[in-house]
Amino acid sequence: NAGVTQTPKFRVLKTGQSMTLLCAQDMNHEYMYWYRQDPGMGLRLIHYSVGEGTTAKGEVPDGYNVSRLKKQNFLLGLESAAPSQTSVYFCASSYGGTGADQPQHFGDGTRLSIL
Amino acid sequence: AQSVTQPDIHITVSEGASLELRCNYSYGATPYLFWYVQSPGQGLQLLLKYFSGDTLVQGIKGFEAEFKRSQSSFNLRKPSVHWSDAAEYFCAVGAAGYSTLTFGKGTMLLVSP
Repeated sequence: NAGVTQTPKFRVLKTGQSMTLLCAQDMNHEYMYWYRQDPGMGLRLIHYSVGEGTTAKGEVPDGYNVSRLKKQNFLLGLESAAPSQTSVYFCASSYGGTGADQPQHFGDGTRLSIL
Repeated sequence: AQSVTQPDIHITVSEGASLELRCNYSYGATPYLFWYVQSPGQGLQLLLKYFSGDTLVQGIKGFEAEFKRSQSSFNLRKPSVHWSDAAEYFCAVGAAGYSTLTFGKGTMLLVSP
């Protein structure tokens, strides 16, 4: 049982390049989330999805787009990467339930550097 | 909106000593409370959760936490720390009707020999 898998694990981009981070979960979870983690800032929610075909903005959505075409996958896109987007990105998923009463399961992260 | 405060950025504890990590939350109704641990280079792992009922909850790896409504706190404790407990610890709060959690900024635990 793989849980939450993030691809790639590391990436270096140049300013202005685009890329897509992939998150896949095999737990049949309804809810999926993208966070960024920066030193001293904790986890900040970028976007999330409460089901296939739905997405919503989190705390820091600017510069990112997401898609949830399949229940098991949640894609995070950077259209034009900026150095401020250098961070560690975490994907998480949860069963959903009646709201935020279910624990989130996390992937191991993607370390992204923008030069 | 809910918020979470972890007052201690770093804590150093001697191996074998007891540990208490503080977490204070702000939310009007009964919150859903979680503690997660993050080892270097890893994602977050759930230690324990509180939804309702007994205010003292037991988790994995010998951790426990106590919900105190009067103090808006959910402190994490362990009676005897092991060197392998060195990691960053995050408190998180959720609420009925919301789809997301709010995380604290984390407390880094260092364990000295």
